[in-house]
Amino acid sequence: QVHLQESGPGLVKPSQTLSLTCTVSGGSISSGTYYWTWIRQPAGKGLEWIGRIFTSGTTNYNPSLKSRLSMSVDTSKNQFSLKLSSVTAADTALYYCARLTPWEYSYGFNDYWGQGTLVTVSS
Amino acid sequence: DIQMTQSPSSLSASVGDRVTITCRASQSIDNYLNWYQQKPGKAPKLLIYAASSLHSGVPSRFSGSGSGTDFTLTISGLLPEDFAAYYCQQSYSIPLTFGQGTKLEIK
Repeated sequence: QVHLQESGPGLVKPSQTLSLTCTVSGGSISSGTYYWTWIRQPAGKGLEWIGRIFTSGTTNYNPSLKSRLSMSVDTSKNQFSLKLSSVTAADTALYYCARLTPWEYSYGFNDYWGQGTLVTVSS
Repeated sequence: DIQMTQSPSSLSASVGDRVTITCRASQSIDNYLNWYQQKPGKAPKLLIYAASSLHSGVPSRFSGSGSGTDFTLTISGLLPEDFAAYYCQQSYSIPLTFGQGTKLEIK
């Protein structure tokens, strides 16, 4: 059973960089054709797709965040990470990491999720 | 970006009811549509992928249909544990986008 766990600071000051890591257990992050994604959810609101990364380092980002976003993967630690720079209060949200399983010609579906980690942007 | 619009935004129903939630895409997405269930304080769970394929372990009272721009999620015979929020997601193009959600409440 694949398990994902987010970690990182719960409080980030405005204009600083938000950094989160997702640790994958129960399977190698490098196995299969899976992508690894970040999704966020402001309190009481809907889900926003942030981006995805493959173990080769190939990334796709949401254009709305692309200028501030960087994702990376560390296969030796079975982890992938997110950095979001120049944060504002609008970036306050519950951040989820999730596995993205491709299906046929689509980008696939998110079949395993972490529990989420709350990040608050405040001075 | 492809816009996903769900209706209704909220829905009241009783145990045993049959309910339908609709999701409309701003352009054709073939059948590249997923449905998730989210309970308060929990991560979303995949219910259906490819518009109508039931994810492993998901009860058969959940079903999905549709293609192109219009999709539905149907729950036949609501159980108490089904009262939650439901989201559709298109996986046709990046960025993958979600509907705004439908909150299913107990009447």
